[in-house]
Amino acid sequence: EAEVAQSPRYKITEKSQAVAFWCDPISGHATLYWYRQILGQGPELLVQFQDESVVDDSQLPKDRFSAERLKGVDSTLKIQPAELGDSAMYLCASSSDRGSDEQYFGPGTRLTVT
Amino acid sequence: GENVEQHPSTLSVQEGDSAVIKCTYSDSASNYFPWYKQELGKRPQLIIDIRSNVGEKKDQRIAVTLNKTAKHFSLHITETQPEDSAVYFCAASNTNAGKSTFGDGTTLTVKP
Repeated sequence: EAEVAQSPRYKITEKSQAVAFWCDPISGHATLYWYRQILGQGPELLVQFQDESVVDDSQLPKDRFSAERLKGVDSTLKIQPAELGDSAMYLCASSSDRGSDEQYFGPGTRLTVT
Repeated sequence: GENVEQHPSTLSVQEGDSAVIKCTYSDSASNYFPWYKQELGKRPQLIIDIRSNVGEKKDQRIAVTLNKTAKHFSLHITETQPEDSAVYFCAASNTNAGKSTFGDGTTLTVKP
């Protein structure tokens, strides 16, 4: 069964450093989501792509976060500089349709900023 | 924007009992309501969903009900088993806008 892939699974970085996460959605899924999940809370949408276009990045802290999906397939989320409050699980998900279908989640990247 | 509230935050039941988790939403434009189960250290996985044109949906021991007028929906698990222990998230989605908002989750513990 196809799954969403993410790497790395775990990342420890010092504050003020740059960090990047990668996501490969299920083949053929046009919609890709990046979520941040703080322990004890539900996933919070950071950015949503439809193919290569951003359709929602209203909750993305654009002064330090950036995301791209250049060819409409895999995607990279970057944080520069990282802050202590960025420590969280970063989940990528994909769906075949825009918001109307099941979202398939990747295993996540656990980020710890020291 | 949409606001989803989920209750309770923790729920402990005896094996064989039923468990009910409730969510309320604020945006009447939301029309798709999935429930996800997240086991410790694993990814969230869809367990059941319901669309706004349906009032109830059942899949074996799991059921979801939706009250559009009151803007709330609930997850019902019957004959609970220890393997049902996990964090459960509800979400409300506006499929026209392509936007989903998640609740903060309910940690369900089923005691053998």
